[in-house]
Amino acid sequence: KAGVTQTPRYLIKTRGQQVTLSCSPISGHRSVSWYQQTPGQGLQFLFEYFSETQRNKGNFPGRFSGRQFSNSRSEMNVSTLELGDSALYLCASSGTGEITRYNEQFFGPGTRLTVL
Amino acid sequence: ILNVEQSPQSLHVQEGDSTNFTCSFPSSNFYALHWYRWETAKSPEALFVMTLNGDEKKKGRISATLNTKEGYSYLYIKGSQPEDSATYLCAFGRNYGGSQGNLIFGKGTKLSVKP
Repeated sequence: KAGVTQTPRYLIKTRGQQVTLSCSPISGHRSVSWYQQTPGQGLQFLFEYFSETQRNKGNFPGRFSGRQFSNSRSEMNVSTLELGDSALYLCASSGTGEITRYNEQFFGPGTRLTVL
Repeated sequence: ILNVEQSPQSLHVQEGDSTNFTCSFPSSNFYALHWYRWETAKSPEALFVMTLNGDEKKKGRISATLNTKEGYSYLYIKGSQPEDSATYLCAFGRNYGGSQGNLIFGKGTKLSVKP
């Protein structure tokens, strides 16, 4: 089974720009979660999508948004980039049903975003 | 605010040493505790999902225990090898209306094993 893929792997943007990151989950997985990792921090939960609906949201400003398509692929968008948005963005997919009992997450390799 | 704490932050051991690290999490509204291994330039990989107080899990030389009443889990590595070098993450799954809400991750313990 192919794993979770994320594109692009690396991205350099300047302050004020916007960026879109893409995540393709494991085939059959319907839940996609996004996380941000900055130096010295743990993985910070951004949001989770299930069947094209945002099911859960972390504590991030509205500049961070996402969506999920009917094929379960997900995109994350960050508008008006700030220097502090430089981070590794990971997506993870899980489950095949609405309630995945223990929500074991399968992670992609991440997108490294640098904001100059 | 729910906090998941991991200690130590980093650990340097010699090949063959046994080691352990700790994950502390809220003792209320527990649903599951996850351990992940994250090697440099790779994706985090699930090691264990632990759900019951007193759970013990084992995978090769790696094992983990769980105490939900006091809110901690230990990860043990017996006879560390250089390929065990990685960051070990734990994640707390909170009981959210009978199912699991989003995972809350600790900052990880970075293990370096010298040959």
